[in-house]
Amino acid sequence: QKEVEQNSGPLSVPEGAIASLNCTYSDRGSQSFFWYRQYSGKSPELIMFIYSNGDKEDGRFTAQLNKASQYVSLLIRDSQPSDSATYLCAVTSGNKLVFGAGTILRVKS
Amino acid sequence: NAGVTQTPKFRILKIGQSMTLQCAQDMNHNYMYWYRQDPGMGLKLIYYSVGAGITDKGEVPNGYNVSRSTTEDFPLRLELAAPSQTSVYFCASSGTGGADTQYFGPGTRLTVL
Repeated sequence: QKEVEQNSGPLSVPEGAIASLNCTYSDRGSQSFFWYRQYSGKSPELIMFIYSNGDKEDGRFTAQLNKASQYVSLLIRDSQPSDSATYLCAVTSGNKLVFGAGTILRVKS
Repeated sequence: NAGVTQTPKFRILKIGQSMTLQCAQDMNHNYMYWYRQDPGMGLKLIYYSVGAGITDKGEVPNGYNVSRSTTEDFPLRLELAAPSQTSVYFCASSGTGGADTQYFGPGTRLTVL
């Protein structure tokens, strides 16, 4: 069974700080990696995806991928209270995605 | 575009009853997925489809059935509902499979008593 592991949190950061969310995966054949944000009672929505080793930046968000270590991370700069949500890491397995259980992020003003 | 729609939003079933959760998408996506999400847990794949007439099991298919007669619709059937099927069910679609972004519907919250 392919697995995706995340620290469940909650991760608490003050407003304006950098939030760092981490994810490890077991399938070395995985090619694509996604971060979804899920507000309480809502459906997941895509924040970022990354395919290649290294960093990918989009606004306040940076995704980092290290395939050798089977590790994906998401950095959120200048964290805002509106960033408070559960962040789901997802990894491809053939035609499917395998999701981690998510990390709860709380940004305190 | 409505994106991915799901009905109903909420439902309470008695043990042993059956029901169909509806899912439709208007993005002409070939791939569609059904997930369940239990409290504090990630999404578990129930069934998926790579096109009309083609379905396959995911991680947790027991107690469920699907069909895909059109590109737009992907209903999920629960037979003989059990308390273990109490969950939030999400339908999703994507254009080209695993490497493509999945777009999620708003979810159906199901309680089996």
